[in-house]
Amino acid sequence: EVHLVESGGGLVQPGRSLRLSCGASGFTFGDHAMTWVRQAPGKGLEWVAFIRSKDFGGTTEYAASVRGRFTISRDDSESIVYLQMNSLTTEDTAVYYCGRETGGSTDYWGQGTLVTVSS
Amino acid sequence: QPVLTQSPSASASLGASVKLTCTLNSGHSRGAIAWHQQQPEKGPRYLMKVNSDGSHTKGDGIPDRFSGASSGAERYLTISSLQSEDEADYYCQTWDNDNRVFGGGTKVTVL
Repeated sequence: EVHLVESGGGLVQPGRSLRLSCGASGFTFGDHAMTWVRQAPGKGLEWVAFIRSKDFGGTTEYAASVRGRFTISRDDSESIVYLQMNSLTTEDTAVYYCGRETGGSTDYWGQGTLVTVSS
Repeated sequence: QPVLTQSPSASASLGASVKLTCTLNSGHSRGAIAWHQQQPEKGPRYLMKVNSDGSHTKGDGIPDRFSGASSGAERYLTISSLQSEDEADYYCQTWDNDNRVFGGGTKVTVL
């Protein structure tokens, strides 16, 4: 059974950094692209970033709203995907979900971790 | 970049059917999409992928009451025999080589 478990969320001041982790199990982690999606309070889903599998170069793509501030990475030996978030603003307050991708779509989701950016 | 349009809300009676629409923008009308369900206070759940020819592939454990279809640039999700637990937000998602895109979501109310 596929499991994705996010961690690392919390309260952080504007301008500071935070790193989210997502541990995966139940599938061959290295075979899949992985993605981060966020949801601000009362809002819809917003894609943040994804990282391709090593077979596709392990390259990364970002939404314009986070490009240059956030970095997605993966550790295939530990089945973990990370999201390093720098220069956080109040607009980054959201529940952050990690997801497994298959063919572009997110076919499994984690339960989410809340990031609150506030002074 | 692809863009997806969804109606903000839909409703139907318990036991009835509801059909949700997700429309792809010009230039991306032949793309596949995925449907996701988000029940109140829960994380999203993958329902299915719908291709331009109407074929669809459901996620693990998704009931037969959920089905997908396509017509032109429109992708559909039909929920039959509506249950109270189907009251949720439904998002469509699409993708190209560099982007992932979500529609604004449709809130389904079971009357």
